[in-house]
Formats: sequence, structure tokens, C-alpha cells
Amino acid sequence: DTGVSQDPRHKITKRGQNVTFRCDPISEHNRLYWYRQTLGQGPEFLTYFQNEAQLEKSRLLSDRFSAERPKGSFSTLEIQRTEQGDSAMYLCASSSVQGPSADTQYFGPGTRLTVL
Amino acid sequence: DQQVKQNSPSLSVQEGRISILNCDYTNSMFDYFLWYKKYPAEGPTFLISISSIKDKNEDGRFTVFLNKSAKHLSLHIVPSQPGDSAVYFCAASPANNAGNMLTFGGGTRLMVKP
Repeated sequence: DTGVSQDPRHKITKRGQNVTFRCDPISEHNRLYWYRQTLGQGPEFLTYFQNEAQLEKSRLLSDRFSAERPKGSFSTLEIQRTEQGDSAMYLCASSSVQGPSADTQYFGPGTRLTVL
Repeated sequence: DQQVKQNSPSLSVQEGRISILNCDYTNSMFDYFLWYKKYPAEGPTFLISISSIKDKNEDGRFTVFLNKSAKHLSLHIVPSQPGDSAVYFCAASPANNAGNMLTFGGGTRLMVKP
């Protein structure tokens, strides 16, 4: 397994358009997280899944944002009617609930979104 | 309200010397602490972690120290190498909370000069 992967790596869109990002976690990990990072800041938690259930959402996740993990494997994050303030790096991470690395989150390379 | 703070935005160290990166937190519910390293245009890479039942954890050149009473942790890198130049983030999560969402500090940019 090569780790967490994200697609696309870069996305440029115009304000008002919808965008969707995909994350594939490490295969045996049942927890999946989305974070957002803006320039000069640390990542900020958006939401997380345990298997297919979305168990927690941050107040940062406005109603324009929706995340899914339909089969408990990959996840998608959709942003509707994008705004310039949505420009950021969107990071996905996964973790296992058991084993020696339990609770350690491993991050993907991120998707950099630029809203023009 | 920043619950995890890294007060030094940057640190410059000579190759071979010790790098010490500091992190303070305010939430006493935090139980598990991690350090990540990040290169430009990449996601954070896990370095080392420590549970609140310990005060020190070591992995090769990296050692993390935790002072619970002061709500302070530090990452020591000995000896520092030019390849260690990156942004370092500390992160914390609450005790046995389902999901263990991480709260990150703002990062410290480490520059190791040859």
C-alpha cells in the first residue's frame, strides 16, 4: 500500500462553480478525515468518517460543503458555489482504530484549490 | 481561541547541532500529541507521537518531551541535517474521543544550514 492518495492534486475553478475532490485512504484504515489548510496556518479539521458513517463535522463545514464515504472506502468532498475564501489546501488523512499505529493519522498529498 | 500554539514561526540551526521546536496547549483534555513535518506542496508526514502517560518518547534522531503541568511539549532533533528543513506542526487530540480529531499549531519553519 502506498499510503493516502488524493485526486486531483490541483484544481483551479471560477467562483460559483462546484468542485469535487476524492480521497483514497490506506486500505485497512476505517477512519477518514478531511482538513483544510490556508497559507501560514496549520490544518483545520473539517469532518471525519468511521467506515461509512460521518460522525463529526466542524463549524467550518458550511452547508455548501458535503462529504461522503459511501462504501467505507474512498471519500469525496464537494464544494458547491465556490467562493474565493474556499481557496486552500484540502487534506485527507486516515487512521486505524487498533494496532500499534492506532490513532495516528496519515495524510495524503492534498488538493490545492484556487478559486478565481 | 488557539488551543495549540507554536510561538516561533521560524528557527535557523547549523547542521549537526540540536534543533528544539516548542509547542504549548491550553486544553487540559488533550491526551495524545503528535509532530508532523511538511514540505511545500506535500501533505504532513507523521514524525513522532507521545501519550500523556509518558513524558518522553524517542525515535532515532527525534525525541519528544511532554510537560503536562506546563502544558508544553517540545521536539528535539539531534543532529540536525539539511534535509530536516521543513515546516513542523505539533498536533493534539483529546483522550479516547471517538475520532480523535487533531488540533494543529500554526507551524514552525526549520532551516538547517550546511
